[in-house]
Amino acid sequence: KNQVEQSPQSLIILEGKNCTLQCNYTVSPFSNLRWYKQDTGRGPVSLTIMTFSENTKSNGRYTATLDADTKQSSLHITASQLSDSASYICVVSASTGGGNKLTFGTGTQLKVEL
Amino acid sequence: EAGVVQSPRYKIIEKKQPVAFWCNPISGHNTLYWYLQNLGQGPELLIRYENEEAVDDSQLPKDRFSAERLKGVDSTLKIQPAELGDSAVYLCASSLGASGDTDTQYFGPGTRLTVL
Repeated sequence: KNQVEQSPQSLIILEGKNCTLQCNYTVSPFSNLRWYKQDTGRGPVSLTIMTFSENTKSNGRYTATLDADTKQSSLHITASQLSDSASYICVVSASTGGGNKLTFGTGTQLKVEL
Repeated sequence: EAGVVQSPRYKIIEKKQPVAFWCNPISGHNTLYWYLQNLGQGPELLIRYENEEAVDDSQLPKDRFSAERLKGVDSTLKIQPAELGDSAVYLCASSLGASGDTDTQYFGPGTRLTVL
């Protein structure tokens, strides 16, 4: 069964600090991995996407890494801001005969405080 | 450019009542998705449309849930009758291509349903 596990479940950090969120997956056959940011009361917004051959991708202060061998990904947030407070969801896509199947993680709830 | 539009944003109903949600995808997007999201969980796919065809409805509880996408643009998701366990956020998303490998899904703000 395809699964995506994220850790930690929640995290509180001070503004300006860095943090790293983890994603482990057992999805096969792997197609791509995305990180989404979901603000409270809003729909998820895509931050990064990585395919099998990519091991790092940046989007501003967000840097995602992918280790396809160990089936792990991380999202590193640099110099956090209050607006980074949100849920971060790891989504892994599997290639199937009927199209791509997405498996969503349960998310890491990040709170950035003053 | 307008994003994915959903209405209503909030809905409170009593159990056994019917309810309907509406979604207008981004213009030109062929693929439309309906997801259910429980508190503290990731979205779960209910149904995926490619144009007006439902290509994946394997997770849709067909005894009470139905969906349609007439003319391949707007879509409605209906629950009849609603149960207490249906309380959740219902998200609509759209993407440009059909089952595209790297197509980005753009999500609407969701409809928060509360069943009393």
